[in-house]
Amino acid sequence: DAKTTQPPSMDCAEGRAANLPCNHSTISGNEYVYWYRQIHSQGPQYIIHGLKNNETNEMASLIITEDRKSSTLILPHATLRDTAVYYCIVRVHFNKFYFGSGTKLNVKP
Amino acid sequence: DSGVTQTPKHLITATGQRVTLRCSPRSGDLSVYWYQQSLDQGLQFLIQYYNGEERAKGNILERFSAQQFPDLHSELNLSSLELGDSALYFCASSTSPLLRVKPYFLYFGPGTRLTVT
Repeated sequence: DAKTTQPPSMDCAEGRAANLPCNHSTISGNEYVYWYRQIHSQGPQYIIHGLKNNETNEMASLIITEDRKSSTLILPHATLRDTAVYYCIVRVHFNKFYFGSGTKLNVKP
Repeated sequence: DSGVTQTPKHLITATGQRVTLRCSPRSGDLSVYWYQQSLDQGLQFLIQYYNGEERAKGNILERFSAQQFPDLHSELNLSSLELGDSALYFCASSTSPLLRVKPYFLYFGPGTRLTVT
């Protein structure tokens, strides 16, 4: 029942951009893509969402491919505090969110 | 701080026992979700309530049950506990779930860490 596919882990040097990919090939036309992150064992935290266009906020940028089958979350200048598990999420049904396994991002000094 | 509160923060109990986890959603949110996260695992959706009614079920065991009260707080009841039930249990609340075409955000609480010995 996997709806999103993400690499299990990635490394990034502090100060560099972190690019986290996600495949969501079964996403339907009017469904949003959401990104959350979970630092250690805290509650997941919302980062950004998008439908078709690229989006940017104070935390990150989101690039969505034209066919909407994949997206990339970009943290422009990663810091040690960005070390976390990043989840790419689509709604499975009307009110269910499928989190998947996420990507463990390790930001190294 | 998401505005979602969960109590207790930690809970240690023995196999076979029953526990109740409590969640208070953000002010104004009518929908509450429960998720389970076992060690080094992703978040597994358990159940969702909207304004007191069950709206969706995920991989929730028959030994587990939940309810949402008129004041909108929710409780997750776990009974006949087993070692494998040890996990983090997260509650999340959300804005209106009724408009499919609009973005829809979950706000997570800090979680309850349950340890079954």
